[in-house]
Amino acid sequence: GENVEQHPSTLSVQEGDSAVIKCTYSDSASNYFPWYKQELGKRPQLIIDIRSNVGEKKDQRIAVTLNKTAKHFSLHITETQPEDSAVYFCAASTRNTGNQFYFGTGTSLTVIP
Amino acid sequence: DAMVIQNPRYQVTQFGKPVTLSCSQTLNHNVMYWYQQKSSQAPKLLFHYYDKDFNNEADTPDNFQSRRPNTSFCFLDIRSPGLGDAAMYLCATSRGPGNIYEQYFGPGTRLTVT
Repeated sequence: GENVEQHPSTLSVQEGDSAVIKCTYSDSASNYFPWYKQELGKRPQLIIDIRSNVGEKKDQRIAVTLNKTAKHFSLHITETQPEDSAVYFCAASTRNTGNQFYFGTGTSLTVIP
Repeated sequence: DAMVIQNPRYQVTQFGKPVTLSCSQTLNHNVMYWYQQKSSQAPKLLFHYYDKDFNNEADTPDNFQSRRPNTSFCFLDIRSPGLGDAAMYLCATSRGPGNIYEQYFGPGTRLTVT
């Protein structure tokens, strides 16, 4: 099955700085890559996603890049704010395997005011 | 409006006593998923339904079963809960077929095993 690796496991940045989280995947058939933000005790919330036919997607302060050849994708958060502090998970999915989603191990982001 | 509903939100059960967790959706989505999430870990897919088609992950213990009596409802049955089964259980849905669509998560059920 798909194996998704995520780095770093923890990340601390000063407010206003940028944060970058990276993921790699193993299954070249994966074609959908969502990113989730999860606050303590709450459900994962989709913050941005990208499909394999696109190399980059941006939504205000959040952007995701995808390199299909290298099988890696990254989340970029600019102008970080304290409310960005949470655990972020990447995931990969392909219809070929029946719509399963496989999650990375998570990154705990702390934005220091 | 709640789209994916899980009941109960908190469940306490005794070691070895069967327990059932419930998930319902108002989205009319084809696919429903069950995840187990332990503290400081990623959600781990247990199984999913594509309509009535059940798909079990290879490493999901036999102790975990699921039922989907209709489009709206899906149940997670834990036949003999062990202490290691204490976790947050997340239900999610997505639209299908034809493409991969985003998942919508429920609020989760936190299971405690005493």
